[in-house]
Amino acid sequence: EVQLVESGGVVVQPGGSLRLSCAASGFTFDDYAMHWVRQAPGKGLEWVSLISWDGGSTYYADSVKGRFTISRDNSKNSLYLQMNSLRAEDTALYYCAKGDLGYWGQGTLVTVSS
Amino acid sequence: DIVMTQTPLSLSVTPGQPASISCKSSQSLLHSDGKTYLYWYLQKPGQSPQLLIYEVSSRFSGVPDRFSGSGSGTDFTLKISRVEAEDVGVYYCMQGIHLLTFGGGTKVEIK
Repeated sequence: EVQLVESGGVVVQPGGSLRLSCAASGFTFDDYAMHWVRQAPGKGLEWVSLISWDGGSTYYADSVKGRFTISRDNSKNSLYLQMNSLRAEDTALYYCAKGDLGYWGQGTLVTVSS
Repeated sequence: DIVMTQTPLSLSVTPGQPASISCKSSQSLLHSDGKTYLYWYLQKPGQSPQLLIYEVSSRFSGVPDRFSGSGSGTDFTLKISRVEAEDVGVYYCMQGIHLLTFGGGTKVEIK
């Protein structure tokens, strides 16, 4: 059974940093690209970032480019999102999703507030 | 960037009746590999989005056959042949030809 479990979401002050993690199981992790997608409270879905199967290629939404960094550790079946210079508008539930887009985690909540 | 436009914003449906949601993309979603990268998701209240349809018309594993997708190029439709109570939530279309972009969502409720 495919499982994706996000963690690391907390309340952080504007300008702060945070690293989210996504633990994957039930599939061959290094066969797939991985995504981060977020959802602000009461709002729709926004794609954040994509990383290739080997970590060699990364892509970002304009809204996070230069502030967020996606990475992965295939030896640990884990995906990460380093979030720097956080803003109030980054407040959201952050989901990781398997590259074929068929499986998503339950999300981890990031709140940026003073 | 590809813009995805869904209509209607909301839908109130009597159980057993059909429902239809439209999604239009600002660019063709037909890839040079012959596939069209249009997906449909349902986000039930308090849950993560769940994939219903991929590549326009293929149902994901476990999805009931009352859900069907159609369309081509830039115009797509999700149809529910007979709405059930468990189908309530927000439906999103998404393009996957160039990174990912989601439609604004269509909220489906039961009358």
